[in-house]
Amino acid sequence: EAQVTQNPRYLITVTGKKLTVTCSQNMNHEYMSWYRQDPGLGLRQIYYSMNVEVTDKGDVPEGYKVSRKEKRNFPLILESPSPNQTSLYFCASTGRTEAFFGQGTRLTVV
Amino acid sequence: AQSVTQLGSHVSVSEGALVLLRCNYSSSVPPYLFWYVQYPNQGLQLLLKYTSAATLVKGINGFEAEFKKSETSFHLTKPSAHMSDAAEYFCAVTGSTNFGNEKLTFGTGTRLTIIP
Repeated sequence: EAQVTQNPRYLITVTGKKLTVTCSQNMNHEYMSWYRQDPGLGLRQIYYSMNVEVTDKGDVPEGYKVSRKEKRNFPLILESPSPNQTSLYFCASTGRTEAFFGQGTRLTVV
Repeated sequence: AQSVTQLGSHVSVSEGALVLLRCNYSSSVPPYLFWYVQYPNQGLQLLLKYTSAATLVKGINGFEAEFKKSETSFHLTKPSAHMSDAAEYFCAVTGSTNFGNEKLTFGTGTRLTIIP
């Protein structure tokens, strides 16, 4: 079964404490990306990766980092989270005609 | 570059009535278009997609959408609303010429409420 797995599903953290949200796909896709969803703004792309070791900024990259050391994994790193990064985050893996999304990670930064 | 406009951030319809959610797009290349649904506390589920085959696309749960190039629209419809259709709906566009290597650009979403 085609799957994108994100962890954790829910996370509450404090300002400045580094965190990583993991994402893994089992479809051998090259293109993966991270989005954040905020009320009234829809989903906006944070970072994307076109293949292993190839990553680039999306529309709202400030405060985030990513890495792509293996094709299946694309973690999102917040090195010093701030309250304005409180949001719902989605990882996506894109095939030939469709993007598959993870279940989302609801992050709260206090 | 692509963009999406979803008219109406909130839409309410009575159970059994027609559902119409509007989506207009802008794209500098022939587009691929998608509708996703998000149920409360869940992820995004693909409802249907247009990828340059038939202009009338049928999806899951009785939804369909028609690609109209002349109107740059991809409105989502369902003849008879059901209580289980209450959710948030997102329209998204990407360029067809490089799909698989481009982002999806999303609209701001439409929250659908079904009135019993």
